[in-house]
Amino acid sequence: GDSVTQMEGPVTLSEEAFLTINCTYTATGYPSLFWYVQYPGEGLQLLLKATKADDKGSNKGFEATYRKETTSFHLEKGSVQVSDSAVYFCALRVTGGGNKLTFGTGTQLKVEL
Amino acid sequence: ETGVTQSPTHLIKTRGQQVTLRCSSQSGHNTVSWYQQALGQGPQFIFQYYREEENGRGNFPPRFSGLQFPNYSSELNVNALELDDSALYLCASSLENARGSYEQYFGPGTRLTVT
Repeated sequence: GDSVTQMEGPVTLSEEAFLTINCTYTATGYPSLFWYVQYPGEGLQLLLKATKADDKGSNKGFEATYRKETTSFHLEKGSVQVSDSAVYFCALRVTGGGNKLTFGTGTQLKVEL
Repeated sequence: ETGVTQSPTHLIKTRGQQVTLRCSSQSGHNTVSWYQQALGQGPQFIFQYYREEENGRGNFPPRFSGLQFPNYSSELNVNALELDDSALYLCASSLENARGSYEQYFGPGTRLTVT
């Protein structure tokens, strides 16, 4: 079946540090890949997406590149801010599988001054 | 444009009881998906409704059921509640048409506690 594996958290960084959150996947078909962010007490917000191999999704300084050869979609940001503190979820959706999203377990990011 | 809304925000029920959660989809969306997010876990797909019919189901027992109404709003019903049903229940709406499926927009969730 389809699955997503994320690095465990919490990840604690100082402001302006470089962020990487690893994500790898297993899919029965050709997936689209997503990163969602969940701020405390809120629902999920789409952060970025990529729909085919070698695509790079980007938003708000965050980037992730769809690597089919390594089945990975790692999230990166060059300089994190305190306001980036949240839980980040990697997810996939398989073409022909309806609109079902398969999520990883989430990685909590804490950014300190 | 109104986003996805869910009610109630919080709910406490006793084991064995039944619960109904509600979701209003975003304007222009015709599909609703429900997810269960246990504490410290990622959301798990329960089922999806499109044009008032169930259109895909995850690994959840039949006591989890749903409805979609002509205005595309939706209900999630859970019978015979168990302690493990305690979770955040997320609703997401999206548009599906002949061109495919589009981005899901999530509501803030309903926090269900079963005691």
